[in-house]
This record gives sequence, structure tokens and C-alpha cells, in this order.
Amino acid sequence: RKEVEQDPGPFNVPEGATVAFNCTYSNSASQSFFWYRQDCRKEPKLLMSVYSSGNEDGRFTAQLNRASQYISLLIRDSKLSDSATYLCVVNYGQNFVFGPGTRLSVLP
Amino acid sequence: ETGVTQSPTHLIKTRGQQVTLRCSSQSGHNTVSWYQQALGQGPQFIFQYYREEENGRGNFPPRFSGLQFPNYSSELNVNALELDDSALYLCATSLFGVSNYGYTFGSGTRLTVV
Repeated sequence: RKEVEQDPGPFNVPEGATVAFNCTYSNSASQSFFWYRQDCRKEPKLLMSVYSSGNEDGRFTAQLNRASQYISLLIRDSKLSDSATYLCVVNYGQNFVFGPGTRLSVLP
Repeated sequence: ETGVTQSPTHLIKTRGQQVTLRCSSQSGHNTVSWYQQALGQGPQFIFQYYREEENGRGNFPPRFSGLQFPNYSSELNVNALELDDSALYLCATSLFGVSNYGYTFGSGTRLTVV
């Protein structure tokens, strides 16, 4: 099993849609979880951390299920500017492991 | 605007050559991690440096090596370049022992091996 796996995508959704991305990880000892956003030919940028109780930042909601080793990201009311690749990131000790990413295209 | 600076931004090398990529750390960050990102894939962990020593390594051959300097800046060296080494190389800095804030990435160096 790969360390971090994500929905393969791509996701093509109309503006205003709600879209959810899933991520699973293999290390039960992992303590830190993040979603990063990466625009084409740019570096990844931190979108949000994922907390055990779940957390929300505007249109974005992240959830963590430790028992199932599963993380999700929900985007409501999608905007054209949300088009990007979304990377799930999990710590393995002092290092962070990235998933392969899920590409989102929001269409007008 | 990122506090992590990488140089050069783009580079073209010939197979068999050697390359050195550089990274200056964000203020207060004492740990540097290097990642390789091939087109269409997620970043792959190469290694991490803390206190000028390697502190963890991914599945990369010994021809990938690194250095960290007292000011926390870092270099990634790749010897005997292969075509498959063509990728975006990302440097990420953090504070050792504090993993809940994630990484700050530089803009990357895009290496093309021909």
C-alpha cells in the first residue's frame, strides 16, 4: 500500500458546485495532516491544516478520520480560481509525504 | 511571497553532467527538505537536513547528495545526471520538531536533462 493515496481525478465541475476529495494514509502513527494547493508550474502552497475535530475555512472544510486513516477536503460553491491540483500531505516522523494530487478544473 | 529562495529557477544540463541547486531558508526555519516533482506527480521526498546533517532520506540513489550550512541554507547536488532526473526540484523549510505548521516551499528549480 502506498504511503498516501488520493482520488486519481481529474475532477471537472461547474462553477458553484460542491466537490470532495479523499485521501488515505498508511502510517497510523502520523500526527500532522495538511491539504496543499498547487497551481500549474508553481510550488505547492499550504491550503489548510487538518485537525482531529475537523475544521473549516470559508468554503473549505477538512476532516480527519484516524480510525480509517482517511482525510477529506470539501469545497463548496466552487470558483474558477479553485482550479488547481490539491495535494494531501501526511507526516511520517519528521518528514512529510505527499500524495500524487487530485486535479480540479472548475468550468464556467 | 515566500521567504524561501531557490536558485537557479531553470536549468538545462546534459546527461552525465553534475548539477548544484541552492536554497535559502525562511527566517527561523532550521530544517530543509528537498523534493523532486516529475510532471503530473506529487513531490517525492529526497532527503532532509537538520543541524547540517542528513536527517532522513527517501528512495533516491547516492548520486543525490546535499549540504546544509550554518545559516540553514542548503544545496542539492546530483551527479551523473540521467534523463529521468528532469523534474521540478522543491526546497521546503520548517522548524524541527514542530510539524503542525507544515512546510514553506520555495518556487523550485526546473531542471531539464537532455
